[in-house]
Amino acid sequence: NAGVTQTPKFQVLKTGQSMTLQCAQDMNHNSMYWYRQDPGMGLRLIYYSASEGTTDKGEVPNGYNVSRLNKREFSLRLESAAPSQTSVYFCASRGPEIVFSSEQYFGPGTRLTVT
Amino acid sequence: QKEVEQNSGPLSVPEGAIASLNCTYSDRGSQSFFWYRQYSGKSPELIMFIYSNGDKEDGRFTAQLNKASQYVSLLIRDSQPSDSATYLCAVPDYGGATNKLIFGTGTLLAVQP
Repeated sequence: NAGVTQTPKFQVLKTGQSMTLQCAQDMNHNSMYWYRQDPGMGLRLIYYSASEGTTDKGEVPNGYNVSRLNKREFSLRLESAAPSQTSVYFCASRGPEIVFSSEQYFGPGTRLTVT
Repeated sequence: QKEVEQNSGPLSVPEGAIASLNCTYSDRGSQSFFWYRQYSGKSPELIMFIYSNGDKEDGRFTAQLNKASQYVSLLIRDSQPSDSATYLCAVPDYGGATNKLIFGTGTLLAVQP
């Protein structure tokens, strides 16, 4: 049981390049999330998915697209990377739909630098 | 938009002391709260969930919720250098297709040996 996995762990892009961050979970969770974490800004939600085939914008969606390929996988795409997208990106999934108490489980993160 | 506020710190305490971390929230209707710990360079991990008013204890950790004053605290007794990390407070947002978490910016705790 690997939990939430993310690839790659590190990436350096040039401005204007594109890339896809991959995320997968093996806990049979319905909900999945993409966050970015910047110094002094905390974790900010980019996009989330309540179930396979559905996605919704979070707090900071501009410049990103997502795909919920199946129940296990949720990818984040940067079509034209900008230096402002330099950040640490975390994928998370959430446990059963129990009111109030379902925690989110986080992947190890992807450290992205855009030059 | 719900807001969660934390003092960024660093909060420095000597080994063996009690560390007190605080979090305030804007939505009076919030009913549950999560505390995550994040070591440098690692991902957040859940250490405490609290729902009702009062205290919840788990080992050396105690979460305290005061809904009237809209704050939640995390106490760490007998602090150890291994407790040095950033502690994130989070509040659920139930709007939309699924529950989301609104995170504070975190408090950096440094336990001095």
